[in-house]
Amino acid sequence: QVQVVQSGAEVKKPGASVKISCKASGYTFANYYMHWVRQAPGQGPEWMGIIDPSGAVTKNTQKFQGRATMTTDTSTSTVYMELRSLTSEDTAVYYCVREVPHTRYFEYWGQGSLVTVSS
Amino acid sequence: QSALTQPASVSASPGQSLTISCTGSSSDVGSSNHVSWYQHHPHKAPQLIIYDVTSRPSGVSNRFSGSKSGNTASLTISGLQADDEADYYCTSYTSRYTYVFGSGTKVTVL
Repeated sequence: QVQVVQSGAEVKKPGASVKISCKASGYTFANYYMHWVRQAPGQGPEWMGIIDPSGAVTKNTQKFQGRATMTTDTSTSTVYMELRSLTSEDTAVYYCVREVPHTRYFEYWGQGSLVTVSS
Repeated sequence: QSALTQPASVSASPGQSLTISCTGSSSDVGSSNHVSWYQHHPHKAPQLIIYDVTSRPSGVSNRFSGSKSGNTASLTISGLQADDEADYYCTSYTSRYTYVFGSGTKVTVL
């Protein structure tokens, strides 16, 4: 069955970086897009960007351009999202989310990875 | 891109119906056929319940239905059940090829 398993919770200091992993199984990894969505405490979700694992093509929302990098390792069916120069406003649960290409909806969500930024 | 506007909370008794609105702009909800809704129970992964404004994924109860008029999309839950108590979020694909989410609505079953 489809599984998308994310890395565990992280605590980081302001200015540091975090790299979250998202390992897929139960389906052909390259055939689906993967998005990153985050949700800060008490707020609605926020779309961060998308990666096409088959060609490693990525697109970030403008807010995260230059600060967030999405990569993929097809040998392990894993996508990664690195966020740099963390501030307290980056404290959130980060989700990787699968999309059937060009359907424009979030079909399957990972369990989420909590990132806490605190001095 | 501003978040889509949803009521912070709605409530109803078991068996009743309720509707959640999701208001955007002509750059997102108003011009997109790709409006979707998600149910989020605490400590669980969000679940897709409506896509492309009105479509339901396989396995989702037909008590959930979606619609859209102008810049406002809506989710209706009929025959409300205790397990429907959760947070609900809308999202829309935008004219800038990005996605915008709603602010979220907490549904309480009285």
